[in-house]
Amino acid sequence: DTEVTQTPKHLVMGMTNKKSLKCEQHMGHRAMYWYKQKAKKPPELMFVYSYEKLSINESVPSRFSPECPNSSLLNLHLHALQPEDSALYLCASSQPHRGTKTTGELFFGEGSRLTVL
Amino acid sequence: AQSVTQLGSHVSVSEGALVLLRCNYSSSVPPYLFWYVQYPNQGLQLLLKYTSAATLVKGINGFEAEFKKSETSFHLTKPSAHMSDAAEYFCAVSEDPGTASKLTFGTGTRLQVTL
Repeated sequence: DTEVTQTPKHLVMGMTNKKSLKCEQHMGHRAMYWYKQKAKKPPELMFVYSYEKLSINESVPSRFSPECPNSSLLNLHLHALQPEDSALYLCASSQPHRGTKTTGELFFGEGSRLTVL
Repeated sequence: AQSVTQLGSHVSVSEGALVLLRCNYSSSVPPYLFWYVQYPNQGLQLLLKYTSAATLVKGINGFEAEFKKSETSFHLTKPSAHMSDAAEYFCAVSEDPGTASKLTFGTGTRLQVTL
């Protein structure tokens, strides 16, 4: 069982809708990530939060808006998406111990499969 | 810049045969290397990691990988394939992670296991 929980597992939305993807972890990790994965492709990094502050934005369009309300939660707000944004969105976390340097591995959730009509 | 190359987008083996999935890396500093597995419609699960402690790394489900600096390789092996090993496998590299880890993934290798 994964310790990174993502909701919803499936989401269908129109191009004018506003929706959010949610991610939660209770491992004490202080870095959290959003990845986008298209079919038969590797995950692509979108955003990184470190200690609840946005540290990396991989030039993601503004129709994707991340939010980190606290150290356990990560949201991805979606607005005015395009059909090509349909993908599996993966959340991950890292840093096994509070205040220590990460050993590098990420722990992934099961993903939220998004379909934009 | 760091990168990984996975040779072979699709590998097919018979059940009970040796599994060998190839990964070569490029990094300007000693790398952190990982193998992840992804089953259909699921997230990524860590199989094993190399963080300079030992060159032969053992992971879950009977997999292991050997770090060879001279060959810049980190190939994944398993002595005997099971049907349940059929999945997508990703090699990934991270330079000094700091307080957050920016992984660069390879393009993936789909492992098919036949009877």
